[in-house]
Amino acid sequence: DGGITQSPKYLFRKEGQNVTLSCEQNLNHDAMYWYRQDPGQGLRLIYYSQIVNDFQKGDIAEGYSVSREKKESFPLTVTSAQKNPTAFYLCASIRRTGSAGELFFGEGSRLTVL
Amino acid sequence: GIQVEQSPPDLILQEGANSTLRCNFSDSVNNLQWFHQNPWGQLINLFYIPSGTKQNGRLSATTVATERYSLLYISSSQTTDSGVYFCAVPSRGSTLGRLYFGRGTQLTVWP
Repeated sequence: DGGITQSPKYLFRKEGQNVTLSCEQNLNHDAMYWYRQDPGQGLRLIYYSQIVNDFQKGDIAEGYSVSREKKESFPLTVTSAQKNPTAFYLCASIRRTGSAGELFFGEGSRLTVL
Repeated sequence: GIQVEQSPPDLILQEGANSTLRCNFSDSVNNLQWFHQNPWGQLINLFYIPSGTKQNGRLSATTVATERYSLLYISSSQTTDSGVYFCAVPSRGSTLGRLYFGRGTQLTVWP
C-alpha cells in the first residue's frame, strides 16, 4: 500500500540523548515536512524539503536536524539542544495537483523525554 | 506569512445537530485543505478545495477565494466526528512550499 510511514510510534528517551524519528513515503512525492504538535495546540513547522539534498528551516528548527538523501526518506533528529522535546511529531508529504499541492500526513510519532 | 484564523475554537454539540466551521485567511491562495484530527492524533484529509463547493457524505466545504474564507459544514453530527478540525493554505505562488495552519476547532459531539 502507498503511504507515509513514521516510526517508532512511541518513543521514550532520557534527557540529553539525541533521538532520530523515521519518515518514509512510497508515494513519489517531491516535498516532505516535519511538524510538531503540543497538547491542545496547532501544528508548527520544523523543517521541510522540496527536493533531495535540500531543506529549509520552518518556524521552530532550533534543536532539530534533518537530512534528505533519498526522495523517499526524511528523518528528523531531535538533539539534546532542543529544550522541550516531548511532543507529537508529524511527517507529511505533498502531491502535486495542477499548480498547487495536496498535503498528506503519516500517523505520527509520540516522543516522551524523561 | 499568511495568517489563518479558525472559528469557533471550541464547539460542543448533541448528536444529530448541524454545525459550520469557518476558516479565514489573509492572502489570496491557490489551494485550501481541511483536515480532521481524530482522538488518536491521526490527521485525515477531508477536502482539497481551492474554490467552489465539494460534498462528501455528511460533510461539505465551500471556499470563496475572492473573499478569503472557507466553510466546513457537518450535518447530522455523530460522536465519531469529534476531534480537531484544521484548515491549511500554502504560501502565495507556492506549489511545494510550506502550508500555514489555523489553530483548529475542537469539536465534541455528545450522544
